[in-house]
Amino acid sequence: DTGVSQDPRHKITKRGQNVTFRCDPISEHNRLYWYRQTLGQGPEFLTYFQNEAQLEKSRLLSDRFSAERPKGSFSTLEIQRTEQGDSAMYLCASSSWGTSGSEQYFGPGTRLTVT
Amino acid sequence: LAKTTQPISMDSYEGQEVNITCSHNNIATNDYITWYQQFPSQGPRFIIQGYKTKVTNEVASLFIPADRKSSTLSLPRVSLSDTAVYYCLVGLRDSGYSTLTFGKGTMLLVSP
Repeated sequence: DTGVSQDPRHKITKRGQNVTFRCDPISEHNRLYWYRQTLGQGPEFLTYFQNEAQLEKSRLLSDRFSAERPKGSFSTLEIQRTEQGDSAMYLCASSSWGTSGSEQYFGPGTRLTVT
Repeated sequence: LAKTTQPISMDSYEGQEVNITCSHNNIATNDYITWYQQFPSQGPRFIIQGYKTKVTNEVASLFIPADRKSSTLSLPRVSLSDTAVYYCLVGLRDSGYSTLTFGKGTMLLVSP
């Protein structure tokens, strides 16, 4: 399967703990995006990478959130001191330089539950 | 970014054609219209994109009138597996990158 993969698929954590999610984009895609989706809502943009450079961050991305893409391949999203409001599905997407920026390929997501 | 309005939900039966209309009165000259499909517990999937008139692919057709203030996603002969949320998005096709702005989408329920 050469699609976008995310790990873990589910994560349950206690409030105040740190969590880290991983995203592996489609191998030839140089653009990588993180979104967050809560129940009944569409995905909300969090941040964007072009290769290893983080070029855009939403104001939704508080200072407890940090994302990296160290070698321009996989990416990690870390949430420090988790809060119950962080419970959501975290989606990763990737796209290729040569295609439409609005044609993104999404992974299956990581569902985070903060208790 | 142009705001979009689409029905919250629609019901259909297997084998019928389904048309989901999206309003985008403030669409800009350079904006494209893109539709995504999302199944429960999965990420959204790109369905189709267009600028004007009609676009057709193996999954759906997209009809865009001349004023471009609305668009209609047409799904021919739906099956139970087409039950999903459908999102209409409007924005630049190639701005170097694109931060997709999703609304709440249209929940399509297909019944036997």
